[in-house]
Amino acid sequence: DAGVIQSPRHEVTEMGQEVTLRCKPISGHNSLFWYRQTMMRGLELLIYFNNNVPIDDSGMPEDRFSAKMPNASFSTLKIQPSEPRDSAVYFCASSYTGFNQPQHFGDGTRLSIL
Amino acid sequence: GIQVEQSPPDLILQEGANSTLRCNFSDSVNNLQWFHQNPWGQLINLFYIPSGTKQNGRLSATTVATERYSLLYISSSQTTDSGVYFCAETSGSRLTFGEGTQLTVNP
Repeated sequence: DAGVIQSPRHEVTEMGQEVTLRCKPISGHNSLFWYRQTMMRGLELLIYFNNNVPIDDSGMPEDRFSAKMPNASFSTLKIQPSEPRDSAVYFCASSYTGFNQPQHFGDGTRLSIL
Repeated sequence: GIQVEQSPPDLILQEGANSTLRCNFSDSVNNLQWFHQNPWGQLINLFYIPSGTKQNGRLSATTVATERYSLLYISSSQTTDSGVYFCAETSGSRLTFGEGTQLTVNP
């Protein structure tokens, strides 16, 4: 079975540009999570969707970040405009339902903002 | 907020050795998961173990929820076990990760 699929794997762009990260969860999973990993802050939850509806976006750092889940098989995380401090590895994860189920992670997108 | 503490922060082993990693958490556990982040950055879910003991090959995990800790056992370690091991636990609608144990297994 296919796991969580993220694209792109790597993204290098200049400050001020719009960045869009994409995620396809495991088929049949109803919950989707976006995380960010940095050396300084470790793994942080950015936003959590259940049945395509955002449930908790309190981890989204600021208005420059937005996330959507138009259907059960696709989600995007957008940063506009991007800044160097947004450089990190962004992970998408999915589970059957919520936090009380095993979460399975994609391979991540390594984002570098110059 | 919930505190998740892992120990040791770093561990170096010779291939074939056994090891025990510990995760302490500050509040009642709803959901405890162990992850392995390999040197390529991939995060692999090892165990979902809010209580009790589970085994998967050379790895096993035990969570004692009443005493607020979980242990990950690695037996007969291999170089491919190298990486960072995270425990994470749920409180409310948030999965909180520990800072990880960096494991290096030398040939």
